[in-house]
Amino acid sequence: KAGVTQTPRYLIKTRGQQVTLSCSPISGHRSVSWYQQTPGQGLQFLFEYFSETQRNKGNFPGRFSGRQFSNSRSEMNVSTLELGDSALYLCASSLSGTGNGYTFGSGTRLTVV
Amino acid sequence: GIQVEQSPPDLILQEGANSTLRCNFSDSVNNLQWFHQNPWGQLINLFYIPSGTKQNGRLSATTVATERYSLLYISSSQTTDSGVYFCAVNYGGSQGNLIFGKGTKLSVKP
Repeated sequence: KAGVTQTPRYLIKTRGQQVTLSCSPISGHRSVSWYQQTPGQGLQFLFEYFSETQRNKGNFPGRFSGRQFSNSRSEMNVSTLELGDSALYLCASSLSGTGNGYTFGSGTRLTVV
Repeated sequence: GIQVEQSPPDLILQEGANSTLRCNFSDSVNNLQWFHQNPWGQLINLFYIPSGTKQNGRLSATTVATERYSLLYISSSQTTDSGVYFCAVNYGGSQGNLIFGKGTKLSVKP
């Protein structure tokens, strides 16, 4: 079965712009989580969606937002990009988001210049 | 919040050697996973192991939930095992939020 698909793989944006990243989970998985990975902070949780509802949110500013569609695909948006937003963004899918294994996508590497 | 500590932070091995990576966590968890991050950044799921022992080829893992630690064993290491190994946990009430350790960077030399 198909894995978790993230698009695009690479992205270069200018400070002040906004960006939208996409994640398609494994078929049948209803939970999608997003993570930011940077050399300094490691892997940090952004937010989690289940059945189109945000259930959990990490400590990131309001410029970071997301949504989930009825087919469980999820998007995350970052507005007013800053240099510090340069990172690898990973999404993970899970059956229910609690007590189950998580499968990660290949990530989107965002560079802000 | 829950703390996840991995050791050692760095490990250099000769091909063919065995190694043990450790993950300590500070509270009860309902999910523990080991991941290998490949050079392209993807996190490859190695084990879902909230308790007990599992084996997959040259890799095996043991989690002792009552003592709050997990071990990942790599036997007969190969250069393709190089990369960063992460332990991540999820606990009750924290939907979707995997807490990651800082990882162990493994380098296997030919």
